[in-house]
Amino acid sequence: GDSVTQMEGPVTLSEEAFLTINCTYTATGYPSLFWYVQYPGEGLQLLLKATKADDKGSNKGFEATYRKETTSFHLEKGSVQVSDSAVYFCALIEEYVDMRFGAGTRLTVKP
Amino acid sequence: DAGVTQSPTHLIKTRGQQVTLRCSPKSGHDTVSWYQQALGQGPQFIFQYYEEEERQRGNFPDRFSGHQFPNYSSELNVNALWLGDSALYLCASEPRDRPKTGELFFGEGSRLTVL
Repeated sequence: GDSVTQMEGPVTLSEEAFLTINCTYTATGYPSLFWYVQYPGEGLQLLLKATKADDKGSNKGFEATYRKETTSFHLEKGSVQVSDSAVYFCALIEEYVDMRFGAGTRLTVKP
Repeated sequence: DAGVTQSPTHLIKTRGQQVTLRCSPKSGHDTVSWYQQALGQGPQFIFQYYEEEERQRGNFPDRFSGHQFPNYSSELNVNALWLGDSALYLCASEPRDRPKTGELFFGEGSRLTVL
């Protein structure tokens, strides 16, 4: 069945460092792909999405490109800030399939 | 504009008891989904409600049941609680009048501890 695998954390970076969080997926059809973020004490919120191959989702300096050939949707940011400290979830959805989330990657950014 | 609200925020139960969790969707949303998030894991889909009926269900036993009211609010009920039910229970809402976008709005969750 459909599933998402993302890199294990936690990830600790210094401010202004480059961030990559890997995400790969397994799907039977053509899923839409998402990154959700969970800040401390808050609910999950959508960070970015991509609905078809080669689409790039972007928001708040974060980017991810839908790579069908490698079944990947890696999250990147060129320069992280302390305020980016959160748990990041990769997810997918298909028609007739519920939203599937990865296990989450905790990011801590130190000043 | 109120977002998704859930209650209670925290609760403690003992094994064998029953629990009811409540959710009010974001204004304008008529579809509510429930997720279970165990510690250190991603959310797992329990079920989805719209038009007051369960429309889709994940791999959860019948001990998990739900309800949706005419005002679109929803309840999650769990019977015969056991230790493994300890988790953060998340409610998410979305409008039904658009294609399936996956753009869910989540509440902050209800943290259930079963002793």
